[in-house]
Amino acid sequence: DTEVTQTPKHLVMGMTNKKSLKCEQHMGHRAMYWYKQKAKKPPELMFVYSYEKLSINESVPSRFSPECPNSSLLNLHLHALQPEDSALYLCASSQGSGSSYEQYFGPGTRLTVT
Amino acid sequence: QKEVEQNSGPLSVPEGAIASLNCTYSDRGSQSFFWYRQYSGKSPELIMFIYSNGDKEDGRFTAQLNKASQYVSLLIRDSQPSDSATYLCAVKRNSGYSTLTFGKGTMLLVSP
Repeated sequence: DTEVTQTPKHLVMGMTNKKSLKCEQHMGHRAMYWYKQKAKKPPELMFVYSYEKLSINESVPSRFSPECPNSSLLNLHLHALQPEDSALYLCASSQGSGSSYEQYFGPGTRLTVT
Repeated sequence: QKEVEQNSGPLSVPEGAIASLNCTYSDRGSQSFFWYRQYSGKSPELIMFIYSNGDKEDGRFTAQLNKASQYVSLLIRDSQPSDSATYLCAVKRNSGYSTLTFGKGTMLLVSP
């Protein structure tokens, strides 16, 4: 089973709102990722967690705050977003963070910032 | 700068034909190679990965890797209209924290 789940599927939020995106996997994977994808563009890496520790932050603005409560869960806390942050937010996981591990994506959360 | 290049397409093939999708990469430290299929409005789905030079077959899909030429391809045999999607090539270099570098994707259109 290579299932990564994400909630909610769709989210509309105002620029002053605080919301959270959730991601869960039960494959025993030790690396989890957040990506942002705009239309007709490839996914763009935001954060990498390895063994529940933040290992990569791709210079993401502080209005995006990741959290890894345990090895199965990954959250992305959103605050004071801008309309240009509207995108598909993808969570992914892999068995490890090295080069020989495949990444599996969740279905994504479609975020609209009004 | 590490780059992964793909022809944006669209690549149009008739049903039943072989679709050939190509990808080149610039980083000679690249170690692992992945093909993702992405339907419009959906998330990327991993369909093939290859680590060694040569061919790897899985059903109607064949991935081909040539590290000397820095070239990886995906062949889809007996193409079906349901194969119509964007195909993303991604590579990882050999390092501790190895992240995916994506190409921009090739749109494939299979006509009935």
